[in-house]
Amino acid sequence: EDKVVQSPLSLVVHEGDTVTLNCSYEVTNFRSLLWYKQEKKAPTFLFMLTSSGIEKKSGRLSSILDKKELSSILNITATQTGDSAIYLCATQGGSEKLVFGKGTKLTVNP
Amino acid sequence: DTGVSQNPRHKITKRGQNVTFRCDPISEHNRLYWYRQTLGQGPEFLTYFQNEAQLEKSRLLSDRFSAERPKGSFSTLEIQRTEQGDSAMYLCASSPRDGSSYEQYFGPGTRLTVT
Repeated sequence: EDKVVQSPLSLVVHEGDTVTLNCSYEVTNFRSLLWYKQEKKAPTFLFMLTSSGIEKKSGRLSSILDKKELSSILNITATQTGDSAIYLCATQGGSEKLVFGKGTKLTVNP
Repeated sequence: DTGVSQNPRHKITKRGQNVTFRCDPISEHNRLYWYRQTLGQGPEFLTYFQNEAQLEKSRLLSDRFSAERPKGSFSTLEIQRTEQGDSAMYLCASSPRDGSSYEQYFGPGTRLTVT
């Protein structure tokens, strides 16, 4: 059965800090890895990664996939209080469903 | 607003009652998914439609759960004889037709509370 593990489960930082969130996976017939941000409602899409070593970037957020290590990281630089959320990692394998990790709860204090 | 929409946003029901939720996907997205999310967990897959065909169902989807997408547009998820363990956020997502892997866009969810 496909499995996604995120670490840490919880993280508290100060505004301006840089954070790295980790995601490791075991997936049959891997097709893609996705990152979502969830505040008090539905997950909002951030990135989809399919190829190893190619960084995706959006503003202060970036992510990269390592297929050899079966992992991905999500970096957030110069964190702001608005970055406080749960960050979810999900994978898509041989079927159409996404398999999610439990998420990393990020709290950014002013 | 051209995003995924879900109704109702909140539903409180008594144990044993039936409930039905609706999802309207992003227009022209032919794939539609239902997930369930409980506190402290990531969303868990329930079922998936491509157009009107239900192509995959999770083991989580007991016989009290049924989903339809009659014309390949909106979808409904019905839970019969609700139990307290059904209390959760029910999320709908859609994704476009093209490509072999594609992001799923989520709606705001329906929060179900079974008392």
